[in-house]
Amino acid sequence: DSGVTQTPKHLITATGQRVTLRCSPRSGDLSVYWYQQSLDQGLQFLIQYYNGEERAKGNILERFSAQQFPDLHSELNLSSLELGDSALYFCASSVGTGRNTEAFFGQGTRLTVV
Amino acid sequence: GENVEQHPSTLSVQEGDSAVIKCTYSDSASNYFPWYKQELGKRPQLIIDIRSNVGEKKDQRIAVTLNKTAKHFSLHITETQPEDSAVYFCAATRGTGGSYIPTFGRGTSLIVHP
Repeated sequence: DSGVTQTPKHLITATGQRVTLRCSPRSGDLSVYWYQQSLDQGLQFLIQYYNGEERAKGNILERFSAQQFPDLHSELNLSSLELGDSALYFCASSVGTGRNTEAFFGQGTRLTVV
Repeated sequence: GENVEQHPSTLSVQEGDSAVIKCTYSDSASNYFPWYKQELGKRPQLIIDIRSNVGEKKDQRIAVTLNKTAKHFSLHITETQPEDSAVYFCAATRGTGGSYIPTFGRGTSLIVHP
């Protein structure tokens, strides 16, 4: 158990809908990262939050947004869902800003858009 | 941004053989290089990492080498066992605006035949 908790584990929804994925980082970790894992794309970095503030953005679509709350848990919101958004979404956390430190991954949320 | 290339995408070996996975990175500012193992249906987990001030690191049957000049690093697994079968991801971490983001390669599916 990495200490990073993601809910839900599985999510099935229809195109055009909106979903929210939740992540609780390890106790004491201030950085939260969101990654999308598709079959042929590996782990694509979406966005990072550090202590409540957005710190870095990757290949995140405008239909996607995220936030980190005062208790450091984070939510990833996906809207106007398309079939191509079906993927495994991982949250990871690390100590501080992530410098020279391991990123601990949660179990992931498998999103299926039908 | 950083770009990480990983080869091969699939590697099939016989039990007891060695396996080598190679990665190259583009940003000379990257200074931390973790390797993650992802078993089927599970989260990525760190197996070994190396920092830019070190050329080689070993942990039992696994070792990682780093050539900063050439901007490439490799994972070596000796005496492979069936339980080594998994997808392996390399990553390069660089600082950007005070945050450190791991950029992952596309992964190598290692299959160890008994």
